[in-house]
Amino acid sequence: GQQLNQSPQSMFIQEGEDVSMNCTSSSIFNTWLWYKQDPGEGPVLLIALYKAGELTSNGRLTAQFGITRKDSFLNISASIPSDVGIYFCAGQTPSGTYKYIFGTGTRLKVLA
Amino acid sequence: EAQVTQNPRYLITVTGKKLTVTCSQNMNHEYMSWYRQDPGLGLRQIYYSMNVEVTDKGDVPEGYKVSRKEKRNFPLILESPSPNQTSLYFCASSLQASYGYTFGSGTRLTVV
Repeated sequence: GQQLNQSPQSMFIQEGEDVSMNCTSSSIFNTWLWYKQDPGEGPVLLIALYKAGELTSNGRLTAQFGITRKDSFLNISASIPSDVGIYFCAGQTPSGTYKYIFGTGTRLKVLA
Repeated sequence: EAQVTQNPRYLITVTGKKLTVTCSQNMNHEYMSWYRQDPGLGLRQIYYSMNVEVTDKGDVPEGYKVSRKEKRNFPLILESPSPNQTSLYFCASSLQASYGYTFGSGTRLTVV
């Protein structure tokens, strides 16, 4: 089946540093979503992307829909301790309108 | 407050004992879905529903049943739970598929 490769799997960074993570696939997607999951909670939607090449920001977060429609990137600028959590990408498949494939997540730890 | 409510949050049960995890949303969303989250595997879709009485299989439907008799409720039924169904389960809902899902807080199920 379709898979999303998300990298890195985990990262430790210093407070104030910028963070980059990405999702890649061999399949194309119609929509890319980025979620954050805090411990003990469900994922919360951060950014949604709908067009190839689209660049969208939400505060310190910026995400891009790859030109090939097979990848997406998330950047966090000037990280703070509350950025700790697991970040998931999710792609909406062309064949299934309500079907999303999730990446395996990037676990972010911020050192104060 | 707009939310997706799952119950119970934690459940320990024995192999073969039927159980139901309830899910309710108060946002009048048409689309609902169940996911399971396992370490290293991300979120995998079990079943989804486009509207009342309309459901379809996700990626890992074996051993699960769902029903959608009312718009707000989407229970997950395990007729004969087995240890490999030990997982963290999330219910989610959406107004439109491309908007992404709003997730509940999760149900941690242990089958012994």
